Amino acid sequence: DTAVSQTPKYLVTQMGNDKSIKCEQNLGHDTMYWYKQDSKKFLKIMFSYNNKELIINETVPNRFSPKSPDKAHLNLHINSLELGDSAVYFCASGSPSGNTIYFGEGSWLTVV
Amino acid sequence: GENVEQHPSTLSVQEGDSAVIKCTYSDSASNYFPWYKQELGKRPQLIIDIRSNVGEKKDQRIAVTLNKTAKHFSLHITETQPEDSAVYFCAARIRGGADGLTFGKGTHLIIQP
Repeated sequence: DTAVSQTPKYLVTQMGNDKSIKCEQNLGHDTMYWYKQDSKKFLKIMFSYNNKELIINETVPNRFSPKSPDKAHLNLHINSLELGDSAVYFCASGSPSGNTIYFGEGSWLTVV
Repeated sequence: GENVEQHPSTLSVQEGDSAVIKCTYSDSASNYFPWYKQELGKRPQLIIDIRSNVGEKKDQRIAVTLNKTAKHFSLHITETQPEDSAVYFCAARIRGGADGLTFGKGTHLIIQP
């Protein structure tokens, strides 16, 4: 059983398209996150949701819109994709104690 | 917000030697400091963590030390092996709950045979 699973793993798309990445966790965690890892491997938080409520929204273009239908799911929708959006997007979830964070396997997005 | 600095960006050591990676953080309210290992093409995985009420923690060949006064913490890997080659990230967190981790920029550890 994969604890944090995200789909698709690989996504190649053209500039201007709209795409979504889905994430699900079966750990019973209340908190879920989206992180972006750029080509230099820098990991930066984008969004944080706690019990379906948006908690953190870092400086991210409003073309990125997270949606949490329930506390086990946090999807990421991206409108009007740009070349600079190419990166690996990691979903993650946090333990009830509020410390340990577990990452999904990542979604490799390439915008051409 | 929190800022985490990590050094060095690349570290090459001979197999069997020790490796040390250092991080500093800016916000004295940070109370949780995990270390993640990321192998090529894989997800970051937690390898060890430390909370602010502890000065040192050890798990087999890896250990982490924390100096709250100086606001720095370090990862120590002894008797390095080829499978230790990876990118290592330190992180810091304030409070807990929904606050995410702030990561350092990573250290590429290369174990030379």
